[in-house]
Amino acid sequence: TQLLEQSPQFLSIQEGENLTVYCNSSSVFSSLQWYRQEPGEGPVLLVTVVTGGEVKKLKRLTFQFGDARKDSSLHITAAQPGDTGLYLCVDGGGSNYKLTFGKGTLLTVNP
Amino acid sequence: DAGVTQSPTHLIKTRGQQVTLRCSPISGHKSVSWYQQVLGQGPQFIFQYYEKEERGRGNFPDRFSARQFPNYSSELNVNALLLGDSALYLCASSFSMVRDSYGYTFGSGTRLTVV
Repeated sequence: TQLLEQSPQFLSIQEGENLTVYCNSSSVFSSLQWYRQEPGEGPVLLVTVVTGGEVKKLKRLTFQFGDARKDSSLHITAAQPGDTGLYLCVDGGGSNYKLTFGKGTLLTVNP
Repeated sequence: DAGVTQSPTHLIKTRGQQVTLRCSPISGHKSVSWYQQVLGQGPQFIFQYYEKEERGRGNFPDRFSARQFPNYSSELNVNALLLGDSALYLCASSFSMVRDSYGYTFGSGTRLTVV
């Protein structure tokens, strides 16, 4: 059974600060996805990464996939209160296409 | 366009009762998956249905069952409710079972509380 470990579990920062959260898998990712979940809502897909070593940027968010395809990081530049939410690392693969989620990093950006 | 619709949004049940949760996928989407999210955890896979057939089942007891209708909507049933079944139940839809960059679109979930 694949285990996804995310760190830190909680992160509280001030608006304007930079941050990085991490995800490590016990096995190679089929495909790596990051989702953000706001309170009372379902997760929303941010990015899908497939190739080891790949870096994707989405405005102030930078996603990096490790060369060995077992780890990933998400860096946010100049965080804003709207970035507040639960960031979930996900393996989007598998023979039955189920999603395997980590426990998430709960980010709070204070104004 | 309407997103994934789940009903009800909140539900309180007593131990031992049965519950039915409903999901309407995005128009044109043929695959529906169900996930359970316990407080403080990431979602866990329960079922996937595609073209009205079960295509995947997670590690949940037989008290959990589901089905998909001809219009691709879906129901999740849980019998003999336990306190540990209290969670946010999420439905996700996608066009097909093919792995693509678009991932799944999730509904806002049904918050089930078992007392």
